[in-house]
Amino acid sequence: GENVEQHPSTLSVQEGDSAVIKCTYSDSASNYFPWYKQELGKRPQLIIDIRSNVGEKKDQRIAVTLNKTAKHFSLHITETQPEDSAVYFCAASPRYKLSFGAGTTVTVRA
Amino acid sequence: DVKVTQSSRYLVKRTGEKVFLECVQDMDHENMFWYRQDPGLGLRLIYFSYDVKMKEKGDIPEGYSVSREKKERFSLILESASTNQTSMYLCASSLKWGDPSDRADTQYFGPGTRLTVL
Repeated sequence: GENVEQHPSTLSVQEGDSAVIKCTYSDSASNYFPWYKQELGKRPQLIIDIRSNVGEKKDQRIAVTLNKTAKHFSLHITETQPEDSAVYFCAASPRYKLSFGAGTTVTVRA
Repeated sequence: DVKVTQSSRYLVKRTGEKVFLECVQDMDHENMFWYRQDPGLGLRLIYFSYDVKMKEKGDIPEGYSVSREKKERFSLILESASTNQTSMYLCASSLKWGDPSDRADTQYFGPGTRLTVL
């Protein structure tokens, strides 16, 4: 089955700086790569996703890049703000179901 | 807005008890999923269902079963709860595989049930 590895497990950034989270996947058949954000005590929510026919996607301060050859994808958050503090999960889907990474706890320091 | 609800936010059960966790979605989604979330392990898929009465095992189905008698409702059953099943359980739903809409694959999560087995 699909195996997704996510790094780093924790990330502390100064407000206004950028944050980058990286994920690798194992199944070359994976074609859908969403990112979820989970604030403390709340449910995971989709923040951005990318499909295998696209190399990069951007939505305001967040962007995702995909390198199919290397089987890795990354989340970039620019101009971080306190409300960006949360756990972020990457996922990959070859078919039907999502396989999630272990999560990255992002802390934005004021 | 998609609404996914779960029957309990917190549940405390004893070892050996039969436990039912229920999930309801109100957006006519075909697919429903049960995950457990543990620190450092992310979300791990227990079971999923792509239609009424249809189910497939996920990555960690041992010790669990599921039931989907109606489209909007997906139940997770712990036949005989054990302490290693203490966890956060999350339900999710998504529209339909193969649907051409942009959000067909997006999974919408419920608020979670924190289960403690003593």
